[in-house]
Amino acid sequence: QKEVEQDPGPLSVPEGAIVSLNCTYSNSAFQYFMWYRQYSRKGPELLMYTYSSGNKEDGRFTAQVDKSSKYISLFIRDSQPSDSATYLCAIAGGTSYGKLTFGQGTILTVHP
Amino acid sequence: DGGITQSPKYLFRKEGQNVTLSCEQNLNHDAMYWYRQDPGQGLRLIYYSQIVNDFQKGDIAEGYSVSREKKESFPLTVTSAQKNPTAFYLCASSIDHARKNTEAFFGQGTRLTVV
Repeated sequence: QKEVEQDPGPLSVPEGAIVSLNCTYSNSAFQYFMWYRQYSRKGPELLMYTYSSGNKEDGRFTAQVDKSSKYISLFIRDSQPSDSATYLCAIAGGTSYGKLTFGQGTILTVHP
Repeated sequence: DGGITQSPKYLFRKEGQNVTLSCEQNLNHDAMYWYRQDPGQGLRLIYYSQIVNDFQKGDIAEGYSVSREKKESFPLTVTSAQKNPTAFYLCASSIDHARKNTEAFFGQGTRLTVV
């Protein structure tokens, strides 16, 4: 079993839709949760960073962590074509501070 | 401008050659990392370094080597022993590997192709 599982998609939605991206993880020692956005042929850029269960909001983006279920989500409201990218969840903690374990990435396309 | 610079952006290697990918950061970060990205597999850790003159193997270190002679620089050599080197290589850094601030910041990547 992989430490982090992420549905690779691809996911295609119309402009304005609410997008839900999800990851599950297996190691309960993980404490730090990140979402990265990666445009084609570019390096990933950090979108959201959380370290506790609950919700964190930043503009149109909301990160949600449920440690009891080992489940993390990223919601994108009012999605825009510029949101079309690959979204990667990343997790760290336990004995591996600083070493991020990544999901496969979900390819998202928002069409006008 | 603070950031991480990777060069070159594109690199072509002949069979049996060693090639070195450059990574420089001016963020004053202690920790640096090399990841490899293949389609459908996310990012996999090759090597990481917490401090100068020290580095550790990641999950897929075979066929790669690194050095960390300066805090700002963490070059990666892809040796001829790496059987399938064609991939997108990403360098990252974070403030301190051991602290609880674990956000990593990435360069723009080097796409290596074996010809």
